[in-house]
Amino acid sequence: SQQGEEDPQALSIQEGENATMNCSYKTSINNLQWYRQNSGRGLVHLILIRSNEREKHSGRLRVTLDTSKKSSSLLITASRAADTASYFCATDSSNTGKLIFGQGTTLQVKP
Amino acid sequence: KAGVTQTPRYLIKTRGQQVTLSCSPISGHRSVSWYQQTPGQGLQFLFEYFSETQRNKGNFPGRFSGRQFSNSRSEMNVSTLELGDSALYLCASSYNLIGTGELFFGEGSRLTVL
Repeated sequence: SQQGEEDPQALSIQEGENATMNCSYKTSINNLQWYRQNSGRGLVHLILIRSNEREKHSGRLRVTLDTSKKSSSLLITASRAADTASYFCATDSSNTGKLIFGQGTTLQVKP
Repeated sequence: KAGVTQTPRYLIKTRGQQVTLSCSPISGHRSVSWYQQTPGQGLQFLFEYFSETQRNKGNFPGRFSGRQFSNSRSEMNVSTLELGDSALYLCASSYNLIGTGELFFGEGSRLTVL
């Protein structure tokens, strides 16, 4: 079963609005990563947050991690049409060493 | 610095055939991992190779295999293809083991099984 589950599955917003995606996972982790994928292409790494961090920023991205709730959120501020893509969280299980991806959130930003 | 290169980008096979996909990691990266992406199952971890050794394997049948060469290039092989093997196969490379840092992905090999 998937380690990471994301919601919403799909999100449609207007340019300039903020987009928030959530990820939940099941077991203890060392860190959590977010990736972006444009349609049919490879994934691009966005940000990594370690289990002892609570919040991290990178440009217009803000990631939070709540290990007590086993959840993370990705906030994209002032979205642009170019942000249209699928976003995946990925967690590494402390026990297995595997990297497990969530099902992803498909974001559409309308110009 | 060249990125991760996967070949071929597209291929069509028929049931029962076998296929070999290739992945050239970023120079200096020691870990190569493989993933299968389908609309129904999402992104699933296949295996990771590190310094020519398989470090970890996902929940896939033995028809899925791989290897890594001394120059870190990796190949994965799928034998006795089934319709359900149609997918985008992605490989990723990193300097250290997966989960410790950023993965760099290739553009993928899209396999269609007829």
